[in-house]
Amino acid sequence: QQPVQSPQAVILREGEDAVINCSSSKALYSVHWYRQKHGEAPVFLMILLKGGEQKGHDKISASFNEKKQQSSLYLTASQLSYSGTYFCGTREITTGNQFYFGTGTSLTVIP
Amino acid sequence: DTEVTQTPKHLVMGMTNKKSLKCEQHMGHRAMYWYKQKAKKPPELMFVYSYEKLSINESVPSRFSPECPNSSLLNLHLHALQPEDSALYLCASSQDRTEGYGYTFGSGTRLTVV
Repeated sequence: QQPVQSPQAVILREGEDAVINCSSSKALYSVHWYRQKHGEAPVFLMILLKGGEQKGHDKISASFNEKKQQSSLYLTASQLSYSGTYFCGTREITTGNQFYFGTGTSLTVIP
Repeated sequence: DTEVTQTPKHLVMGMTNKKSLKCEQHMGHRAMYWYKQKAKKPPELMFVYSYEKLSINESVPSRFSPECPNSSLLNLHLHALQPEDSALYLCASSQDRTEGYGYTFGSGTRLTVV
């Protein structure tokens, strides 16, 4: 079951913050986050595992609320290099090893 | 080596052609994946190999045929494709299929079927 992301698109000025949400209707083992720049491959950002955790590196962090089957990606003090499409990916408990990418969020950072 | 290498980067083929896409990784990853991505859409899973055995085939038409000759190499054989098969084909790998490991993607093969 494909997770749904919101917003679909967001435009930020450099230095502004953004939150991208990922929501599933199924119980989850894990949530991945990837960023894909135009014409390039998706790049792995982080993984959050069942147990409800929060992770981060540099100014990008994420949380996973397993009870709500939701994850949020937080981008603080955005930089031009943050532009791209962000995908969450989820592995569901009931379907075992099935992994689904979310609907995607296009993020554009402007000077 | 922390890369997944895909060749060719671009491919144009006719509907009667046979071609193959190649994917290679030397990170010791034991799970490898083929994804198809259309413009402005998320990647869609096609096949999963785990320890060189096909473990998932997401109801992909038989004109796509995967092969995993060894733990470092993954091929996707193409035959009698349709124009709607034009897309970016991404290969990915992960340590294995248990939890805790992200996917490393190759840069993809942009396929155009004419």
